[in-house]
Amino acid sequence: DAKTTQPTSMDCAEGRAANLPCNHSTISGNEYVYWYRQIHSQGPQYIIHGLKNNETNEMASLIITEDRKSSTLILPHATLRDTAVYYCIVRHNQGGKLIFGQGTELSVKP
Amino acid sequence: EAQVTQNPRYLITVTGKKLTVTCSQNMNHEYMSWYRQDPGLGLRQIYYSMNVEVTDKGDVPEGYKVSRKEKRNFPLILESPSPNQTSLYFCASSADRRGVSYGYTFGSGTRLTVV
Repeated sequence: DAKTTQPTSMDCAEGRAANLPCNHSTISGNEYVYWYRQIHSQGPQYIIHGLKNNETNEMASLIITEDRKSSTLILPHATLRDTAVYYCIVRHNQGGKLIFGQGTELSVKP
Repeated sequence: EAQVTQNPRYLITVTGKKLTVTCSQNMNHEYMSWYRQDPGLGLRQIYYSMNVEVTDKGDVPEGYKVSRKEKRNFPLILESPSPNQTSLYFCASSADRRGVSYGYTFGSGTRLTVV
């Protein structure tokens, strides 16, 4: 599975969009990009995933570049409850394993 | 409500005393997995199961056992716990069919302390 690189931490003002970047330059054609988040010591929560098209759900949007080497998770209107560690994970569509990196610690401030 | 249930949430035990952490899911998921989370090391996979009676080692399986006799249950067994197994443990499940990707659902965690 390809490795991902994320910034260690980011701040965002409440009500503004939070844009979390992820680099996955070695991703292969049959690997998906997943995003999870973990609010302090709780179980990780699935947010969204995609292969090559942009995706949107009730939680967030996922923008994947055309070459698939990077992606951005967008929380359109961040709230204080979005403060968490966000993990970008690349995973093969034939295998079940999720490999968690260190993630980005997002702090949403009033 | 679709969920993964782990028990207990907190456990303090002594070195060498066998224990079992239970995990149950009500979503008819085929895939289940155990992770441990430690400061500075992140989440690491211990064991996983692709279906009933099919289990395999993850990245850190030493000192752990699992079984998958029923689709809904995936207990984690520590035959002789040691202090280095003090950690936060998570169980997860996924529909995970070949060629189709789904998200994982995680349990709320079990905080284990071995003294």
